[in-house]
Amino acid sequence: DGGITQSPKYLFRKEGQNVTLSCEQNLNHDAMYWYRQDPGQGLRLIYYSQIVNDFQKGDIAEGYSVSREKKESFPLTVTSAQKNPTAFYLCASSPDGTFRYTQYFGPGTRLTVL
Amino acid sequence: AQSVTQLGSHVSVSEGALVLLRCNYSSSVPPYLFWYVQYPNQGLQLLLKYTSAATLVKGINGFEAEFKKSETSFHLTKPSAHMSDAAEYFCAVSDPTGGSYIPTFGRGTSLIVHP
Repeated sequence: DGGITQSPKYLFRKEGQNVTLSCEQNLNHDAMYWYRQDPGQGLRLIYYSQIVNDFQKGDIAEGYSVSREKKESFPLTVTSAQKNPTAFYLCASSPDGTFRYTQYFGPGTRLTVL
Repeated sequence: AQSVTQLGSHVSVSEGALVLLRCNYSSSVPPYLFWYVQYPNQGLQLLLKYTSAATLVKGINGFEAEFKKSETSFHLTKPSAHMSDAAEYFCAVSDPTGGSYIPTFGRGTSLIVHP
């Protein structure tokens, strides 16, 4: 079955630590995205990548970093510079980066800072 | 600039009643419009999308939405609610202004279905 996988499902981080969230897709999509979801605030775009080895900042990129070395993988690192990282993180992909196409979402990772 | 407003953070209906979830958008050009559904602790799933074809769009699970340009609205409806429809619903708008289609999501509406 084609789809998007995110791991882990739950992640706990101590203050001052960097953590990396995994996102893998086997849909052969060119574009991938990371969103942050907070209660009552909808989804906010962190980073997106339209092609391998290229990515752009979204609305709330500060304190986050990404890489896109392979078409199927788009890991997100939450750095210690992110002041309030506790949230639900969603990865998505689409056939290309024009955003005209449906985005396919993974099941999410819930990050909690202890 | 584009924006999305979902009126009502929570909507409560009885099983079998009409479901109406409101979405208004602002966009300088005809946009692409989407409705997604999210069940607890899961990702989002597309319900339906408008891409400038028919103004009445039918989606999965009996949902439909009508694009009304004059009202800048894209409200989601379902004639008869089912208990399994209880979830969070997000409206999203994507317009090509400046060559970018970066979507904006609404804050979401939680649908509560009473037996």
